[in-house]
Amino acid sequence: QKEVEQDPGPLSVPEGAIVSLNCTYSNSAFQYFMWYRQYSRKGPELLMYTYSSGNKEDGRFTAQVDKSSKYISLFIRDSQPSDSATYLCAMSDTVRGNKLVFGAGTILRVKS
Amino acid sequence: GAGVSQSPRYKVTKRGQDVALRCDPISGHVSLYWYRQALGQGPEFLTYFNYEAQQDKSGLPNDRFSAERPEGSISTLTIQRTEQRDSAMYRCASSSLAENIQYFGAGTRLSVL
Repeated sequence: QKEVEQDPGPLSVPEGAIVSLNCTYSNSAFQYFMWYRQYSRKGPELLMYTYSSGNKEDGRFTAQVDKSSKYISLFIRDSQPSDSATYLCAMSDTVRGNKLVFGAGTILRVKS
Repeated sequence: GAGVSQSPRYKVTKRGQDVALRCDPISGHVSLYWYRQALGQGPEFLTYFNYEAQQDKSGLPNDRFSAERPEGSISTLTIQRTEQRDSAMYRCASSSLAENIQYFGAGTRLSVL
């Protein structure tokens, strides 16, 4: 079983929809949680960064972490065709200089 | 440029050849990471450096893989006697000491024929 599980999709939604992306994990030592967005033929770019449990909002994006359930979510409001990409969750268990453990990525397609 | 730079972007090689992949991190970034990403998967950790010191190489698949960062800046990932199963996207990332945010390069696509 992988340390981080993520449904690969693809997830197809109409423009303007609310999108929910999720990951589960097994390592209770994870403290730092990230969401990366990856466009085709590009490297991953950081979208959201959260420490421990709680919510974080940035524009149309909200990241949630529930450490008791070992479950993290990314919500995208008013989704746009430009949001079409692969979304990767990632997590680590130390502050600096340690490896990120990634999910497999969820392919999102927003139809106009 | 301001981002992480990797070269070459594409590398095609024959089985049994050695290859060297280069990563130039963001200026001033102390930490440098190597990952490998298979199609349809997330990046998988290989190794990382703080300055010139290799801190963790637990993700290197076998002893054909090695990495160095002799002057604490540019890093080279070397794969000896390549095999077809080594074909993948190799990604480099860097981060500063102040934050645990890794910035990724565009990657090197390695194809072993």
